[in-house]
Amino acid sequence: DGGITQSPKYLFRKEGQNVTLSCEQNLNHDAMYWYRQDPGQGLRLIYYSQIVNDFQKGDIAEGYSVSREKKESFPLTVTSAQKNPTAFYLCASSSSPTLAEQYFGPGTRLTVT
Amino acid sequence: SQQGEEDPQALSIQEGENATMNCSYKTSINNLQWYRQNSGRGLVHLILIRSNEREKHSGRLRVTLDTSKKSSSLLITASRAADTASYFCATASDRGSTLGRLYFGRGTQLTVWP
Repeated sequence: DGGITQSPKYLFRKEGQNVTLSCEQNLNHDAMYWYRQDPGQGLRLIYYSQIVNDFQKGDIAEGYSVSREKKESFPLTVTSAQKNPTAFYLCASSSSPTLAEQYFGPGTRLTVT
Repeated sequence: SQQGEEDPQALSIQEGENATMNCSYKTSINNLQWYRQNSGRGLVHLILIRSNEREKHSGRLRVTLDTSKKSSSLLITASRAADTASYFCATASDRGSTLGRLYFGRGTQLTVWP
């Protein structure tokens, strides 16, 4: 099956701990994205990567970090510096960084207490 | 902000009726896309309309784009209870510094009653 996977589906952490969310795709897409979604809100872009070993900050990058060492993987680390990390996190990929539709994973719901 | 804005925020209709959602945006675009999200799930791409297109159809979906008014509409005909979901518009910028990213609105929550 081709697609984009995120794990785990639910994640619970204590305040002050870093946590890494996994995102893997086997669609051979160049571009990958991380979004955050809060209840009743749209998607806000955290980071995106148009090619391996390169990534750019989105609108709300503070308190987050990413890496893109492999084409198929784009993990997101939520650091302790992120003031309000509880949210639904969505990863997406696209064949064309500029023109094409994005394919989304099922999301990870992170709860920090 | 380059975000699109959907209208209405919520829409409630009976099965068989048509549902129309609107999206307005502020900057020039390369294309505009509509996505659907079932509760607690990822988004699913529905349709993409390029800036030089005015109308596009896909099954029961009809999308229009008016670049002079910076607006788009999504029409779902003969709605079904399974169409219940949130619908988002997303704009793809045509500007160099923001190429490669989409700007999402807050969505329209559609409820279709059987």
